[in-house]
Amino acid sequence: SQQGEEDPQALSIQEGENATMNCSYKTSINNLQWYRQNSGRGLVHLILIRSNEREKHSGRLRVTLDTSKKSSSLLITASRAADTASYFCATDTGFQKLVFGTGTRLLVSP
Amino acid sequence: GAGVSQSPRYKVAKRGQDVALRCDPISGHVSLFWYQQALGQGPEFLTYFQNEAQLDKSGLPSDRFFAERPEGSVSTLKIQRTQQEDSAVYLCASSLVAYYGYTFGSGTRLTVV
Repeated sequence: SQQGEEDPQALSIQEGENATMNCSYKTSINNLQWYRQNSGRGLVHLILIRSNEREKHSGRLRVTLDTSKKSSSLLITASRAADTASYFCATDTGFQKLVFGTGTRLLVSP
Repeated sequence: GAGVSQSPRYKVAKRGQDVALRCDPISGHVSLFWYQQALGQGPEFLTYFQNEAQLDKSGLPSDRFFAERPEGSVSTLKIQRTQQEDSAVYLCASSLVAYYGYTFGSGTRLTVV
C-alpha cells in the first residue's frame, strides 16, 4: 500500500513560475526522497533529506521536511518545459525499502 | 554498466504464460530492489536483495512471483501463470549505500492479454 499522499495530483504552470508539491506520510522515517519520472521511463533520484534535517537545496530544487506533521514539500523554482514529469516522494523507514506516494503530475507550458 | 539495465523493455504475454524479467544492476551495487508500478500509481515494493540473499520478499503479491539473484549481480523476476492483474511496469533499482538514493532502470512494461 502507498505510504504517502501527494498534493496536488496534477499541477499546470507556465515556464518561469515556481512549482510546489506536497507529500504527507504515515509512519516514522529515516529519510525522505523525491524522484522524477518522465512518461514511460524509470525514476530519477532528485534529492534525499534525512529525518534530522529540515531543509535542503539542490540547484533549482528546495525540499523541506516537517517530521512533527509527517509532511514534506518540493519546490522547483523557475520551472522549464523539461521539468514536465511525474514527481514522487518516497520514504525510507529503515527496512531497506522505499514506500512511494501517489505522485504529482507536473505540466510546464512554454 | 553506467546504469541499471532491464530487459525486455516490453513484454506481451498470454494469460497463463510464464515470464522472466531481467535486471542488470550497476556493477558493485550491493542492494537490488524490484518494484511494481500500476498505471497512474506510485511504485510498490516487491522484494529486496543484499548481494545474493533475498532479505525481504514481503511485497510479492502471490506465490506465482519468484525472484532470484544467484551470483549477487544480475537478478531475474519470474511470474508464473500470468494473470491480467499482473499487467504493470516492473522496475528494478540498485544502490551502493541506501542513503545516497537508488538508481532505477527504465522498467519492463508487462501486458497480459
